[in-house]
Amino acid sequence: RKEVEQDPGPFNVPEGATVAFNCTYSNSASQSFFWYRQDCRKEPKLLMSVYSSGNEDGRFTAQLNRASQYISLLIRDSKLSDSATYLCVANGGTASKLTFGTGTRLQVTL
Amino acid sequence: DGGITQSPKYLFRKEGQNVTLSCEQNLNHDAMYWYRQDPGQGLRLIYYSQIVNDFQKGDIAEGYSVSREKKESFPLTVTSAQKNPTAFYLCASRTGSRSYNSPLHFGNGTRLTVT
Repeated sequence: RKEVEQDPGPFNVPEGATVAFNCTYSNSASQSFFWYRQDCRKEPKLLMSVYSSGNEDGRFTAQLNRASQYISLLIRDSKLSDSATYLCVANGGTASKLTFGTGTRLQVTL
Repeated sequence: DGGITQSPKYLFRKEGQNVTLSCEQNLNHDAMYWYRQDPGQGLRLIYYSQIVNDFQKGDIAEGYSVSREKKESFPLTVTSAQKNPTAFYLCASRTGSRSYNSPLHFGNGTRLTVT
């Protein structure tokens, strides 16, 4: 089983839709979780950290479910500019080692 | 502006040659990382360093070497022993590697092509 798993998609949604991605992690000791956005042929950029209590930043909401070992990302009112690949990250056995999922591709259309 | 600089952006080499990718940061971050990304795949950890003069192997360290002689610099050498070196290489750093909530900051990557 991979340490961090994501549905690769693509998720094709119309502009204005709400879309959610999940990401499962295998190490129950993981403490750090993040969502990154990666545009084609570019470096990943931090979208948001994921805290135990959940957090929200504008149209984006991240949640952590420790019991089922997954994190989620909800995007409301999708924009064309949200089209990208979304990567989830969790730390492994130590705080230092961060493992990425393979990413979920989102395509927002008119 | 603080940031992470990777150079060069594109690199072409012949098979059998070693090549060194540069990564410099002026963010005063303790920890630095090297990842590799292949088309349509996620990032895989090659090496990471939490402190000067110390580094650990990641998941795919074979055929690579690193050094961390200065806090600001973490060069990656792709040796001729690496079987499939053509990839997109990303360097990242974070403050307080033992702090669970500090995220990674990435450089803009080096695309290495070996023929």
